[in-house]
Amino acid sequence: AQTVTQSQPEMSVQEAETVTLSCTYDTSENNYYLFWYKQPPSRQMILVIRQEAYKQQNATENRFSVNFQKAAKSFSLKISDSQLGDTAMYFCAFMKRMRYGNKLVFGAGTILRVKS
Amino acid sequence: EAGVVQSPRYKIIEKKQPVAFWCNPISGHNTLYWYRQNLGQGPELLIRYENEEAVDDSQLPKDRFSAERLKGVDSTLKIQPAELGDSAVYLCASSPYRNEQFFGPGTRLTVL
Repeated sequence: AQTVTQSQPEMSVQEAETVTLSCTYDTSENNYYLFWYKQPPSRQMILVIRQEAYKQQNATENRFSVNFQKAAKSFSLKISDSQLGDTAMYFCAFMKRMRYGNKLVFGAGTILRVKS
Repeated sequence: EAGVVQSPRYKIIEKKQPVAFWCNPISGHNTLYWYRQNLGQGPELLIRYENEEAVDDSQLPKDRFSAERLKGVDSTLKIQPAELGDSAVYLCASSPYRNEQFFGPGTRLTVL
């Protein structure tokens, strides 16, 4: 079974600064996907960034980038130029494709607070 | 494109009462998921549908929970009777074929 661990329950960062959220996972699969989801206080879960395990290049989406270390089973999220709107709960998730649909396993989440 | 729609957004009930949640997935998404999210935790899968067939309901507490997805579009998740420990946010998600999931806003259930 897959497990996802987020060791930082809460993080704070000053506006415009950079913050890194940690995530480790455990799996025996070779083909999988990793995601970071953002869940603001309104609760709508939004996809921030995705990484295919077979790709060595780290994914980037504007101010968001990941550091994917497959051998170490580590998948951290870096947010540059933090904005107040980045305040949310962030979930790291592991995805395995199934015959029908896919299976997502979430970490416990990290609360990020961006301060002005 | 409209996102995943869920209703109601909030529900407060007394224990032992029944409750139902409704989900309308994104058009064309044949896979639908129901999750339960306890306070301060990540979502946990309850059931996964492929069209109208439940292909993974291993985590659904079948003594009190039931779900259906008639005609392979909308879905309803029911709890009967509700217990205090059922207080949580119930999330619905959908995905096209085996690709990434898109989530609805959730229903916050409070059982008194």
